[in-house]
Amino acid sequence: EIILTQSPATLSLFPGQRAILSCRARQSVGDRLNWYQQKPGQAPRLLIYNASLRATGIPDRFSGSGSGTDFTLTISSLEPEDFGVYYCQQRYNWPPITFGQGTRLDIK
Amino acid sequence: EVQLVESGGGLVQPGGSLRLSCAASGFSLSSYTMTWVRQAPGKGLEWVSSINAAGDYTYYADSVKGRFTISRDNSKNTLYLQMSNLRADATAIYYCARDFWSGVFDFWGQGTMVSVSS
Repeated sequence: EIILTQSPATLSLFPGQRAILSCRARQSVGDRLNWYQQKPGQAPRLLIYNASLRATGIPDRFSGSGSGTDFTLTISSLEPEDFGVYYCQQRYNWPPITFGQGTRLDIK
Repeated sequence: EVQLVESGGGLVQPGGSLRLSCAASGFSLSSYTMTWVRQAPGKGLEWVSSINAAGDYTYYADSVKGRFTISRDNSKNTLYLQMSNLRADATAIYYCARDFWSGVFDFWGQGTMVSVSS
């Protein structure tokens, strides 16, 4: 099982600031790394797949980068609606598919 | 519009069984691998099980293997998760999700809550 570790656990930023979220894999996952956003009481939403490809309808302020074991989700200029918990997920040589423990993003 | 609507959740005693359903609309279910993901209260996401488009390949997390069975009826546009010998650690919201590229989940239902308690 591939363990994913996200950091920081919590991030609190103002609108307009840049958010950088990290996901580290215990072993290489190539580019088979996805990012999801989940707001309270809602289902997760796919943001980024294959490390850097934006899903349909996702604003371009969201970008993903990385390969191998180190990945980053960047939100270039935070909007008030960007609060929530962000999860990374790997799909390399599954099963099993695994998720990181999440980073909670608060907008001040 | 793609929609996934889960049902079948509820309160069940330890050792009991429950069958979840996920009704799909707005796309051809028979073209997609489908997946169940769960989320325990206040916790993160956990992949549970996946089934390929034809229904002849199934995959399970070790935590549910031998107790949960995923299946599908493409003619009814419905995905299922039969859960048996339930334990308290199965308490969670269960989401069904469409897998558009081998482990990329592009659409999710709103989830159904399963509570295992005496």
